Amino acid sequence: GNSVTQMEGPVTLSEEAFLTINCTYTATGYPSLFWYVQYPGEGLQLLLKATKADDKGSNKGFEATYRKETTSFHLEKGSVQVSDSAVYFCALNQDSNYQLIWGAGTKLIIKP
Amino acid sequence: ETGVTQTPRHLVMGMTNKKSLKCEQHLGHNAMYWYKQSAKKPLELMFVYSLEERVENNSVPSRFSPECPNSSHLFLHLHTLQPEDSALYLCASSQVSGPADTQYFGPGTRLTVL
Repeated sequence: GNSVTQMEGPVTLSEEAFLTINCTYTATGYPSLFWYVQYPGEGLQLLLKATKADDKGSNKGFEATYRKETTSFHLEKGSVQVSDSAVYFCALNQDSNYQLIWGAGTKLIIKP
Repeated sequence: ETGVTQTPRHLVMGMTNKKSLKCEQHLGHNAMYWYKQSAKKPLELMFVYSLEERVENNSVPSRFSPECPNSSHLFLHLHTLQPEDSALYLCASSQVSGPADTQYFGPGTRLTVL
């Protein structure tokens, strides 16, 4: 079946460091891929998404490229800020209008 | 502010209590969801309503009972819960069109079962 695997956290970085959070998936065909972010005390919100191979989603300085050949959707940011501290979730949706398949989440801690 | 509100934000209840969680969306969406978020586990989809009809029920124990009286409101009725039901319960909504739909989440209700 479909699945999403994220790197375990927490990931701790200093401000202005480069960020990569790995996400790989298992699916048949061409799923839509998502990154959601959950800030402390809040619900999840969409950060970015991509719907076909080689698409790049981007938002708030974050980017992720849909790599069909490596079944990956790694999240990157060139220079993180303390305000980026949150939990990041990778997810996919292939055939359903409703059922997202979620990764376990990666907690990111940015120190000043 | 995502346009999805949840009340209460925190709830403590005993195993014999009956309580309800409320969700309201102000986005004009046609689908609403209940999720359970537990520490170190992937998000669990509990129920989905589309056009006020339940379309997904992912093997959730009967002590959780959803209700969707209209497209803007969703309830989760709780009774005789267990301590392992303690978690963050998230409500979400979306405008259903296909697999690339964005779901919009409320802030959640932190439930503690004593």
